[in-house]
Amino acid sequence: GNSVTQMEGPVTLSEEAFLTINCTYTATGYPSLFWYVQYPGEGLQLLLKATKADDKGSNKGFEATYRKETTSFHLEKGSVQVSDSAVYFCALIWDTGRRALTFGSGTRLQVQP
Amino acid sequence: DTEVTQTPKHLVMGMTNKKSLKCEQHMGHRAMYWYKQKAKKPPELMFVYSYEKLSINESVPSRFSPECPNSSLLNLHLHALQPEDSALYLCASSDGQGGEKLFFGSGTQLSVL
Repeated sequence: GNSVTQMEGPVTLSEEAFLTINCTYTATGYPSLFWYVQYPGEGLQLLLKATKADDKGSNKGFEATYRKETTSFHLEKGSVQVSDSAVYFCALIWDTGRRALTFGSGTRLQVQP
Repeated sequence: DTEVTQTPKHLVMGMTNKKSLKCEQHMGHRAMYWYKQKAKKPPELMFVYSYEKLSINESVPSRFSPECPNSSLLNLHLHALQPEDSALYLCASSDGQGGEKLFFGSGTQLSVL
């Protein structure tokens, strides 16, 4: 079946540390890939996306590259801030047929001052 | 206006009660969604409305009844719920062109006693 797998959390980092949150997917066809972020007490917000192989999505210092050969879409940030503390969800949507997002399990990030 | 507004923010109900969750957006989006999110889990799709017609029902029990009175409003009617239905209920909307960029409300935290 089609699925998204994320690394287990929580991920705890000190401020200004480098962040990587791993995401891999299983798919048939060519899905579009997304990272959504959920801050405490809020709904989800789109952080970035990539719609085809080798595309790089970026926003607010976060980046992720669509790697078809490794079926991955890892989220990275060079220097995290306390305000980045949230839950990050990797998600995908298929290019045909049922067009509704499938989310990974989420990874909680805690950034300490 | 890029907001999706959900009311109420919190709801406590008994198993014999009937209640409704409401969702409103004024972005001109033609697709609207209900998701259910249990604590520390990803959102799970329940229903999708496209152009005010139900297009996806993820085999949700009939005690949950969605309604889309017009293109700006989405309701979720609740009746005879079970304690395991306690969760955060998230509404989202998109422009309907691909269901990719979802705009989420902050949710209704539902407790069933």
